[in-house]
Amino acid sequence: DTGVSQNPRHKITKRGQNVTFRCDPISEHNRLYWYRQTLGQGPEFLTYFQNEAQLEKSRLLSDRFSAERPKGSFSTLEIQRTEQGDSAMYLCASSLDQARAYEQYFGPGTRLTVT
Amino acid sequence: GESVGLHLPTLSVQEGDNSIINCAYSNSASDYFIWYKQESGKGPQFIIDIRSNMDKRQGQRVTVLLNKTVKHLSLQIAATQPGDSAVYFCAETSGNDMRFGAGTRLTVKP
Repeated sequence: DTGVSQNPRHKITKRGQNVTFRCDPISEHNRLYWYRQTLGQGPEFLTYFQNEAQLEKSRLLSDRFSAERPKGSFSTLEIQRTEQGDSAMYLCASSLDQARAYEQYFGPGTRLTVT
Repeated sequence: GESVGLHLPTLSVQEGDNSIINCAYSNSASDYFIWYKQESGKGPQFIIDIRSNMDKRQGQRVTVLLNKTVKHLSLQIAATQPGDSAVYFCAETSGNDMRFGAGTRLTVKP
């Protein structure tokens, strides 16, 4: 399968714990995006990378959220000191380049449950 | 503020009929409008896009119409099939972030 992959698919954690999610984009795509999706809503943009550079992070939900893409390939999204309100589906997407930035390919998501 | 929204949360159609899913937007500076399909347990899947300087674009069994005068976007699906059952999102982008609407659930009845 050469699509976008995300791990883990499900994560249950206790409030206050830190969690980290991984995204592997389509190999030739140099743009990578993170979104959050709550039930019944459309995805909410969080941040994106062009290769290893994080070009937009003002939409991250709080300073507890951070993302990295150190080698311009896979990316991680970390949530520190999780809260119950962080429970959601976290989606990763990639696109070929800036010119086709609107054509994004999504992974299956990581569903986070904070108890 | 700017927003992307949908007229109807659910749509039920008979197999073989045509479906029309509508979307209203308010950001007149958007460059592209996009439709995504999301099946249960999966991430959104790109269907079709339309650039802001166009008013119609056709794909395989799908047509997107853009009316900039009333800031309205629609997705038409011809000969709807059971596999078309999903939630459909419109989205818009005027830069590097993409804004999605809340979605319309399409159910295809056999």
